Amino acid sequence: GAGVSQSPSNKVTEKGKDVELRCDPISGHTALYWYRQSLGQGLEFLIYFQGNSAPDKSGLPSDRFSAERTGGSVSTLTIQRTQQEDSAVYLCASSSDVNQPQHFGDGTRLSIL
Amino acid sequence: GEDVEQSLFLSVREGDSSVINCTYTDSSSTYLYWYKQEPGAGLQLLTYIFSNMDMKQDQRLTVLLNKKDKHLSLRIADTQTGDSAIYFCAPESDYKLSFGAGTTVTVRA
Repeated sequence: GAGVSQSPSNKVTEKGKDVELRCDPISGHTALYWYRQSLGQGLEFLIYFQGNSAPDKSGLPSDRFSAERTGGSVSTLTIQRTQQEDSAVYLCASSSDVNQPQHFGDGTRLSIL
Repeated sequence: GEDVEQSLFLSVREGDSSVINCTYTDSSSTYLYWYKQEPGAGLQLLTYIFSNMDMKQDQRLTVLLNKKDKHLSLRIADTQTGDSAIYFCAPESDYKLSFGAGTTVTVRA
């Protein structure tokens, strides 16, 4: 597509439920990144994919967070047993290769009740 | 991790120039980016500079980099109401972007 597409744009769920956030990168982009934007922590790196593999998962806040990427394209970020502190905007970015400019989607705003 | 500092607010009159400043700590940053965020939207890439450059001009935008002082600035010439947004400085190191808290620019008539 023309830009990075994320879905859903908004998600409200109850504490303890699992959620899946989807990212569709720019066509042909091999690198994909997840970031989180929250009031308390600002913008923080979560995980990065080169192709289907994730060389760096160091930013994932806990083992309740996981992500996968299939076919070198779409990525899913999964949060299990959601907590209120997971409420944030989850942003996905892609780039044509590593160390190339990262282009962001509009994010998924996640609210945990 | 990298620390990135920006002033939080800037108010500028329409037609004037805006200058947004940023300091960072990681001298190994290869690219340094400026992003713009409007309410409810994601981050829009505005411009970037490679670490071996000291200036880059792109239409109304001028980026200055002082690598010795680890200081980056973004100048917006002829600021318009559509420039009202939050601006983030984001040095890249090992493919990760580190972000400051963002500078909220308000353009007044």
